[in-house]
Amino acid sequence: KQEVTQIPAALSVPEGENLVLNCSFTDSAIYNLQWFRQDPGKGLTSLLLIQSSQREQTSGRLNASLDKSSGRSTLYIAASQPGDSATYLCPNTGTASKLTFGTGTRLQVTL
Amino acid sequence: NAGVTQTPKFQVLKTGQSMTLQCAQDMNHEYMSWYRQDPGMGLRLIHYSVGAGITDQGEVPNGYNVSRSTTEDFPLRLLSAAPSQTSVYFCASSDRYDEQFFGPGTRLTVL
Repeated sequence: KQEVTQIPAALSVPEGENLVLNCSFTDSAIYNLQWFRQDPGKGLTSLLLIQSSQREQTSGRLNASLDKSSGRSTLYIAASQPGDSATYLCPNTGTASKLTFGTGTRLQVTL
Repeated sequence: NAGVTQTPKFQVLKTGQSMTLQCAQDMNHEYMSWYRQDPGMGLRLIHYSVGAGITDQGEVPNGYNVSRSTTEDFPLRLLSAAPSQTSVYFCASSDRYDEQFFGPGTRLTVL
C-alpha cells in the first residue's frame, strides 16, 4: 500500500528565507507528482505537476523535483513571503489517477 | 470554465438522515473521485470513477454510494448519516494521469 510521508510536519520561517519541503513514498511506482497548497478552511490549489517523463518543474519562485528511483520529491520555495503560509501536499498519483495523500507540511512565514 | 463545482458548501444532518453531495465538472474529464479530509489525517479516497457508468471503491467506501450516469456529474450519497461521517468532502477530476482539479469542498456535520 502506498504511503506518503512529508517532512517536516510544520515549519516556521522568517520572510525572505529559502526553504525545502520533502515528500517520500513507500512505492516508487509513481505516474506523476502534483504539489498542492491548502489554505485553512479552503480547497486544494494546484502548484506544480511533474509528469512521469519529467524530473522537475518550475513556476515562479517554486521548483519541484521528482526522483522516482528513490521515491522522493522536493518542493523548493525561494524568497518566502507571508502569502506562502499554507499547508503543502504532495499526493502520489497511482493507478486510475487515484491520489494517496500524506498529512502535509504546515508552513508559516513570519514578517 | 467553472472547473469543479460542489454543492452544498455546508450541511448539517441528524444521525440516520440521508443526503447527496453534488459534484460537477465542465472539463470533459474521464476520471472523477471523492475524498474526505479529517483533522490530523491526510485526504482519503472514498470512491472513484474512470468514466460514465464505471465506479469503484477507494480506501473508505463504507456508508457511501456513488453512480456516474454522465461524464459531468459524480454525486456522493450518504445512505444513513453517522457522526463518524462528519468531515470535509472534496471532489476531484482529471484526464488520465494528468493534472487533478479539486472542488471547493463540502463541510458536513452529523449530529
